[in-house]
This record gives sequence, structure tokens and C-alpha cells, in this order.
Amino acid sequence: DQQVKQNSPSLSVQEGRISILNCDYTNSMFDYFLWYKKYPAEGPTFLISISSIKDKNEDGRFTVFLNKSAKHLSLHIVPSQPGDSAVYFCAALNTGNQFYFGTGTSLTVIP
Amino acid sequence: NAGVTQTPKFQVLKTGQSMTLQCAQDMNHNSMYWYRQDPGMGLRLIYYSASEGTTDKGEVPNGYNVSRLNKREFSLRLESAAPSQTSVYFCASMGAGPFGGYTFGSGTRLTVV
Repeated sequence: DQQVKQNSPSLSVQEGRISILNCDYTNSMFDYFLWYKKYPAEGPTFLISISSIKDKNEDGRFTVFLNKSAKHLSLHIVPSQPGDSAVYFCAALNTGNQFYFGTGTSLTVIP
Repeated sequence: NAGVTQTPKFQVLKTGQSMTLQCAQDMNHNSMYWYRQDPGMGLRLIYYSASEGTTDKGEVPNGYNVSRLNKREFSLRLESAAPSQTSVYFCASMGAGPFGGYTFGSGTRLTVV
């Protein structure tokens, strides 16, 4: 049973516009969330995180929003750049050190 | 560069053959993990090791074994490979606390024919 879901397998956005990637989770015990970025033939790399005690975390062009009541988080990229084209995974942490991953969203930023 | 090193990068096996995927990290991390990535399935945890000397099953452990050889190294073994084990395998490590999450290796693309 998938505890972390990314319902959009792909997303295309024009360069300079906002990209919004969504993630839903089912386990209310998750208390830490991350977004990873993955290029082809490479391992995922950490992008941004948020703790459950916050509802927003910003790092440059990247902002993650957390809505605990809806069990939903989103990643906003503004402005989107062609180099942002990659697969994005959200991940959630329960007790211990094990993260649960979503299925990924492939973002294409069109120049 | 500091990080997680996986070998080999590519491997083709015949059904029934065995092999070991190697993983080493030089960040003095306590926790190490093996994940597999399949289309439409995301990253699924096979086994993990919270500290040297301990290993635990993840979501999809069947057909695999692991060894935490020392703090640096965590290997994944396929005793009798099956076509269902065709996948991309990622090793990861994490230090104390979840901040920054995992550091991943670059992956091993395994094909079982």
C-alpha cells in the first residue's frame, strides 16, 4: 500500500513560469518530508525539506508547502528553468530513519 | 569526492546466477539502505542497516540478502537472480537525524535475462 503518492507522472511548464509538484500521504505519523531531484543515470539528490512543525520552507527558487490537515505537500519552483527538468520524488519519514518515497513526477521545462 | 560509491554500474545476469552489489560511503554515516527503482513504483526499500552490525528488512526483501561489513560498507546479494529483479538499485546512507535526508549512490542498472 503506497503511503506516499504523487498522482501526476509528468508535468510540462514553460521556462520562467511556476512549476507546482504535488504529493499526498496517508500516514499521519509522518513528521519530516523531503523532495529529491533525479537526473537520468544519476542517484537522487536532496533538494529541500520541511518539518511537520512548519507549513512552509523556502530555499531560493524552491518552496515546499505542507498542509497537515490535508496530508498534502507541494513543491513550487519559481521561475522554472530548463535545468530543472528532472524527476522529482517526495519522501516522508516516520519513526526511525526510514523514508517512504512517492512514485515521482517527471518535470519538463520548455525553453 | 565524499559520498556513496556503488559498483558495478551495469550488470546483465542470467536467471539463476548470483551476484553481489557493493556499496561504500565515506561520510561516517551510521545508517545505510538499499532501494530499487522500477517504472511507476518509485523507490522501494529492500533492506536497511541502522548501525554497524544490524540489518532489517524493508518493503521488498524477498530474493535478497545483505551484509553490513563495517561502518562504511553495505552489500546486497542476489543468490538466484530472477527476471523480476531487473531494476535500478540505489544504495544510500544517512547520518544522525533526518536533516538533509539520504545521500544516494549513482545506481546499478541490473538486467536479468
